[in-house]
Amino acid sequence: AQTVTQSQPEMSVQEAETVTLSCTYDTSESNYYLFWYKQPPSRQMILVIRQEAYKQQNATENRFSVNFQKAAKSFSLKISDSQLGDTAMYFCAFMPGFGNEKLTFGTGTRLTIIP
Amino acid sequence: SAVISQKPSRDICQRGTSLTIQCQVDSQVTMMFWYRQQPGQSLTLIATANQGSEATYESGFVIDKFPISRPNLTFSTLTVSNMSPEDSSIYLCSVEDQQRVGYTFGSGTRLTVV
Repeated sequence: AQTVTQSQPEMSVQEAETVTLSCTYDTSESNYYLFWYKQPPSRQMILVIRQEAYKQQNATENRFSVNFQKAAKSFSLKISDSQLGDTAMYFCAFMPGFGNEKLTFGTGTRLTIIP
Repeated sequence: SAVISQKPSRDICQRGTSLTIQCQVDSQVTMMFWYRQQPGQSLTLIATANQGSEATYESGFVIDKFPISRPNLTFSTLTVSNMSPEDSSIYLCSVEDQQRVGYTFGSGTRLTVV
């Protein structure tokens, strides 16, 4: 069974600064996907970024980027130029295989952007 | 990406009663996933619903408590039966994005059992 660990329950950062959220996972799978989801107070789950395990290149989406270290089973999220709208719960998630599989979520990190 | 309409958005129910949550997807999908998010917690998969077959339940979840219907490729319901205050949670449905870039979630149902 897979496990996903987020060791930072809460974080806060000043607006416009950079923040990094940590995630580690454990799996025996060789093919898998990793995701970061954002859940603002509206409770809508929003996909932030996705990483395929077979790709060595780290995924980026505008101000969001990941540091994927496959050997270390680490998948951190970096948010650059943080904005007030980034305030939310952030969940790291793991999916084995190539699709239509369940997601295993970490416990989440509550991120607060301070004006 | 797929758009999911989930209803109701919230409800307050008496213990011992049942609530049925609906998810309608704007495209045909093979599998739909139902998650529970207890207060202040992460998401836990309840079951996976395939059209034309019985849902597959995760450990700790049983069909008598969480019956699921999947009558076609765009619709599913989850019923929370014989509710107790411990069932107070957010319930979310999810499908894989058509472009397979991730999973799309419904807006969630906030259930409070009193």
